[in-house]
Amino acid sequence: AQSVSQHNHHVILSEAASLELGCNYSYGGTVNLFWYVQYPGQHLQLLLKYFSGDPLVKGIKGFEAEFIKSKFSFNLRKPSVQWSDTAEYFCAVNLDTGRRALTFGSGTRLQVQP
Amino acid sequence: NAGVTQTPKFQVLKTGQSMTLQCAQDMNHNSMYWYRQDPGMGLRLIYYSASEGTTDKGEVPNGYNVSRLNKREFSLRLESAAPSQTSVYFCASSPRTRSYNEQFFGPGTRLTVL
Repeated sequence: AQSVSQHNHHVILSEAASLELGCNYSYGGTVNLFWYVQYPGQHLQLLLKYFSGDPLVKGIKGFEAEFIKSKFSFNLRKPSVQWSDTAEYFCAVNLDTGRRALTFGSGTRLQVQP
Repeated sequence: NAGVTQTPKFQVLKTGQSMTLQCAQDMNHNSMYWYRQDPGMGLRLIYYSASEGTTDKGEVPNGYNVSRLNKREFSLRLESAAPSQTSVYFCASSPRTRSYNEQFFGPGTRLTVL
């Protein structure tokens, strides 16, 4: 079955540490890839997206992600996290372009300690 | 623009009661979606509407019905609520163009079924 995997369920970092969150999907066709963030008590917001072109995409708040097709991966990175980055991060993939719905990973809870 | 709005924000039901969750968007989007979010499971698609007048089942449609009232509004109905439907419900919308576009999410409805 098609799926999206986020292997890090809970990550704790100190401020200024570097961040990398993993995302893998199982689908051999064309995909559109997204990272969403959910701050405590808020709704999901788009961090960045990949449709085509340069596999290294930059998003808001200093986040970036790299699409590696051969590894079916779309990992999220940030060189130096801040306390305000504490949130839950979701990788999402559009696996069925006809339906235009998203398949989400289970999420990674990031806790940044001051 | 208000974006995607949802009502109510919170609701407590008893098993067997019915209710309708309302969603509206003012971005002139064609497609609308209903997801539920459960701890450790990410977001799962309940139903979606690719365009006004059409609805289709998603990953977890059992126990729910939807109505695409017009282009702006997409409601989700629980006919006989069950404790397993305790969750946070998110509505989303996206424009319908040839290429896939991101989804915009509402603030969510936190539903508890006792």
